[in-house]
Amino acid sequence: ETGVTQTPRHLVMGMTNKKSLKCEQHLGHNAMYWYKQSAKKPLELMFVYNFKEQTENNSVPSRFSPECPNSSHLFLHLHTLQPEDSALYLCASSQIAGDSYEQYFGPGTRLTVT
Amino acid sequence: AQSVAQPEDQVNVAEGNPLTVKCTYSVSGNPYLFWYVQYPNRGLQFLLKYITGDNLVKGSYGFEAEFNKSQTSFHLKKPSALVSDSALYFCAVRGQGAGNMLTFGGGTRLMVKP
Repeated sequence: ETGVTQTPRHLVMGMTNKKSLKCEQHLGHNAMYWYKQSAKKPLELMFVYNFKEQTENNSVPSRFSPECPNSSHLFLHLHTLQPEDSALYLCASSQIAGDSYEQYFGPGTRLTVT
Repeated sequence: AQSVAQPEDQVNVAEGNPLTVKCTYSVSGNPYLFWYVQYPNRGLQFLLKYITGDNLVKGSYGFEAEFNKSQTSFHLKKPSALVSDSALYFCAVRGQGAGNMLTFGGGTRLMVKP
């Protein structure tokens, strides 16, 4: 898991706060992803960045704002969240080349919205 | 559209016995298939993948998976289960034309009892 790191590992925030999640990949990959994992729900793809360009926004509410300044870093900016946004947020990366479609995940940020 | 089904929410097996975690898929064209494992409060960890070639794929920690094209299945197997194998297992698929998008199944919890 050291190939993809996420900070913070745990975050508690109020509904009026603004916070950011950070992801960094050390694998030389050129694609990065944000997923949401809620209890008893399938893994939900939120955003995809290929070569720093956003290629997928899976109908995510605007209170979630991604940023990808370079191919190694990915942020998820959070504001005015709702309690139902409490979940494990996972970052992943992969290489877009040949047959290497497997994604490598970070440990996640456990977010609690109070 | 591509989809994955993991028909069992939970699989229980005694330590030392063989285990099977089931996965079926639906995609256009030839599938790329993946298995991941998730331990508590951790991200998903890549176990193995099938792209082409031998239908039996070997992966990490003694796990293997068998690709069956006629049954559109990719079941995960291990000859002898360990208590430490207890975790959440996810199957994922990428179909033709899906770019770098993976579709994940809902997950199967494996419980290995001593």
